[in-house]
Amino acid sequence: SQQGEEDPQALSIQEGENATMNCSYKTSINNLQWYRQNSGRGLVHLILIRSNEREKHSGRLRVTLDTSKKSSSLLITASRAADTASYFCATDAQGAQKLVFGQGTRLTINP
Amino acid sequence: SQTIHQWPATLVQPVGSPLSLECTVEGTSNPNLYWYRQAAGRGLQLLFYSVGIGQISSEVPQNLSASRPQDRQFILSSKKLLLSDSGFYLCASSAGTRPQHFGDGTRLSIL
Repeated sequence: SQQGEEDPQALSIQEGENATMNCSYKTSINNLQWYRQNSGRGLVHLILIRSNEREKHSGRLRVTLDTSKKSSSLLITASRAADTASYFCATDAQGAQKLVFGQGTRLTINP
Repeated sequence: SQTIHQWPATLVQPVGSPLSLECTVEGTSNPNLYWYRQAAGRGLQLLFYSVGIGQISSEVPQNLSASRPQDRQFILSSKKLLLSDSGFYLCASSAGTRPQHFGDGTRLSIL
């Protein structure tokens, strides 16, 4: 079964608002990664947070990680129409050479 | 930085026909290579991964196989395609469990 599960499955907001997506996972991890996918394209890596980190920023992105709850959140501030995409979390189980992706959150930014 | 080349971008094949999808990587040596399948509106399912030439790990029993004849070449094959093989196939590359770089995918339709 999938390690990561995103919530919500779909999110629609107005341009300029903040968007928050959540991810839960089941086993111990080395790191958690967030990816973005525009329709019909490959995934693009956004940000990686290690298991010993609690928060990380990159531009308008803020990621938090709570290993006690096995959950992470991705916040996109001041959203733009170009942020419309699907967002996936991915985890690497300790000792594994692979990532497990969640089902994704489809984000729509309305102008 | 890494560049992942996948071709073709779209493919329509009849049931029972063979398949060969190729992925090549530039900008890195001895990468881990991955084949994923993505159903419409869903997350990524890991099909195969490889940590070196000739080393293939299969994640799910299926009608497909993978080969890695060269360090930066990863091939996905089938002898006889099934309707259930339809989907969006993505190749990815990484160094260990560092962020993965993705190609733009092949959309495969089986008729």
